Amino acid sequence: QKEVEQNSGPLSVPEGAIASLNCTYSDRGSQSFFWYRQYSGKSPELIMSIYSNGDKEDGRFTAQLNKASQYVSLLIRDSQPSDSATYLCAVDQGAQKLVFGQGTRLTINP
Amino acid sequence: NAGVTQTPKFQVLKTGQSMTLQCAQDMNHNSMYWYRQDPGMGLRLIYYSASEGTTDKGEVPNGYNVSRLNKREFSLRLESAAPSQTSVYFCASSSGGRAYEQYFGPGTRLTVT
Repeated sequence: QKEVEQNSGPLSVPEGAIASLNCTYSDRGSQSFFWYRQYSGKSPELIMSIYSNGDKEDGRFTAQLNKASQYVSLLIRDSQPSDSATYLCAVDQGAQKLVFGQGTRLTINP
Repeated sequence: NAGVTQTPKFQVLKTGQSMTLQCAQDMNHNSMYWYRQDPGMGLRLIYYSASEGTTDKGEVPNGYNVSRLNKREFSLRLESAAPSQTSVYFCASSSGGRAYEQYFGPGTRLTVT
């Protein structure tokens, strides 16, 4: 089974600071990488996708990919209390399938 | 445009009972998926359908069956429910091909007593 590892947290960040979430994966052949946000009691919501090495920015979110190190990260700038959620990293494993990490629980403290 | 819909939202079953979870998507997606989510275990793939007319096992298929009724609908059946199947079940869909982005339904919270 191809693996995706995340620190389960909880990660506590003060409001207005940068939250940094990390993910490592085992399959060197993976080409597509995703970050999902999941509020308590709700379904996962896709917030970022990244396919090439480097950074991809979307508003306050930046995804970073380093395929050589098999490492994906998500930065959230100017963190808001509404960013408090569990963040799931997902990586393609071919054949139209994704494998998900266990998620990192993020709490933004006002 | 409702996206991915699931019914029911909540269900309580007794051990040995059967039930079918329904999922439908209106995004004209080719691929559909069933996951379960348990505390500390993340999302685990039960079954998926890469295209209409095909279904394949995922990581945890035992105790489940699926039917891809048409391009829109993908159902999950528990033939004889067990307490170990207490979980939150999510359906997802994807356009397929080279695109792997998956979009999730609201989930079904199932308790088996």
